[in-house]
Amino acid sequence: DTGVSQDPRHKITKRGQNVTFRCDPISEHNRLYWYRQTLGQGPEFLTYFQNEAQLEKSRLLSDRFSAERPKGSFSTLEIQRTEQGDSAMYLCASSLVERLEQFFGPGTRLTVL
Amino acid sequence: GQNIDQPTEMTATEGAIVQINCTYQTSGFNGLFWYQQHAGEAPTFLSYNVLDGLEEKGRFSSFLSRSKGYSYLLLKELQMKDSASYLCAVWNNNAGNMLTFGGGTRLMVKP
Repeated sequence: DTGVSQDPRHKITKRGQNVTFRCDPISEHNRLYWYRQTLGQGPEFLTYFQNEAQLEKSRLLSDRFSAERPKGSFSTLEIQRTEQGDSAMYLCASSLVERLEQFFGPGTRLTVL
Repeated sequence: GQNIDQPTEMTATEGAIVQINCTYQTSGFNGLFWYQQHAGEAPTFLSYNVLDGLEEKGRFSSFLSRSKGYSYLLLKELQMKDSASYLCAVWNNNAGNMLTFGGGTRLMVKP
């Protein structure tokens, strides 16, 4: 399977804990995006990378959220000191620079107790 | 800012045709996407319109009017498997090269 993959698929954590999610994009894709989706809503853009450069991060929900893509391949999204309101599906997508179509991964469903 | 509106829910009958509308207000418009999302799954790409007019792809067609800030997704010969959420999304060059999604239209296809 050469699609976008995300790990873990499900994460249950207690309030106040830190969590980290991983996204592996389609191998030749140089853009990688993170979104958050809550029930009954469309995905909400968080941040994106072009290769290893994070070109937009003003939409990250708070300073508890951070993302990295150190080698321009996989990316991680970290949420520190989780809150119950962080419970959501976190989606990753990738694309080629010259094409706007984004391919989404299966998502990581986060539940904060 | 950006504003994208689409109906929350629609119901249609198997074999019929359904049109899902989307209106948007944005600056720096650079195209409109439709995605399909089955419950618990990732969104999958359906169509992309950047010029006015109709794009047809099998049973699905998408229309765009830039002057009216309006798009629709047309689904023909509905099948039960078409029951899903349909997401309208606008690409905005002025907003950090990102997609802004509407809330989605949940389509239920009944026999």
